[in-house]
Amino acid sequence: DAKTTQPNSMESNEEEPVHLPCNHSTISGTDYIHWYRQLPSQGPEYVIHGLTSNVNNRMASLAIAEDRKSSTLILHRATLRDAAVYYCILRGIQGAQKLVFGQGTRLTINP
Amino acid sequence: EAGVAQSPRYKIIEKRQSVAFWCNPISGHATLYWYQQILGQGPKLLIQFQNNGVVDDSQLPKDRFSAERLKGVDSTLKIQPAKLEDSAVYLCASSSIGGAREQYFGPGTRLTVT
Repeated sequence: DAKTTQPNSMESNEEEPVHLPCNHSTISGTDYIHWYRQLPSQGPEYVIHGLTSNVNNRMASLAIAEDRKSSTLILHRATLRDAAVYYCILRGIQGAQKLVFGQGTRLTINP
Repeated sequence: EAGVAQSPRYKIIEKRQSVAFWCNPISGHATLYWYQQILGQGPKLLIQFQNNGVVDDSQLPKDRFSAERLKGVDSTLKIQPAKLEDSAVYLCASSSIGGAREQYFGPGTRLTVT
């Protein structure tokens, strides 16, 4: 399974944008980049995914580098509810297509 | 739309006892997953079902863990006998077959083995 590297923790202020980086230098051409987050005492929840182009949804934006070796999850205006562990995961299109979770980035939001 | 249901939410047992967890996925989701999440770590996939067949159980400790998904709907994960290192949150998730296959997770069952 392809690996991703994320900072262990990040901190930001409420109502400011947050940029969460992820490195995936061994990504293959058919791997999708998925982001999940896990709020305290809850199961993970899907945030966004992409392949090559930048993606936007109601929760966040995903910016993917041109060489696809890194990506950034962007929360445009953080709220206290966005405090969570964010996981960047590569998902292939062959076989079981399972998610392999790493340690993730623990995001703290200051009021 | 109802989410993934799991029970019980909490369970405390002594080592060498047995325990079972139940999961009911989102209606219509063909794929069901069981994960183990040890404190401070990301979830680890134990077993993946598609309908009532096993797709991946490579990380399931088969000497003590078993899982079944009869009729391709709800599922049960069993541990027998439990060890101290089995203390963790057990998460169930489900997804549809097509599209992005995003997984929807239940609230989990927190197991403490003493």
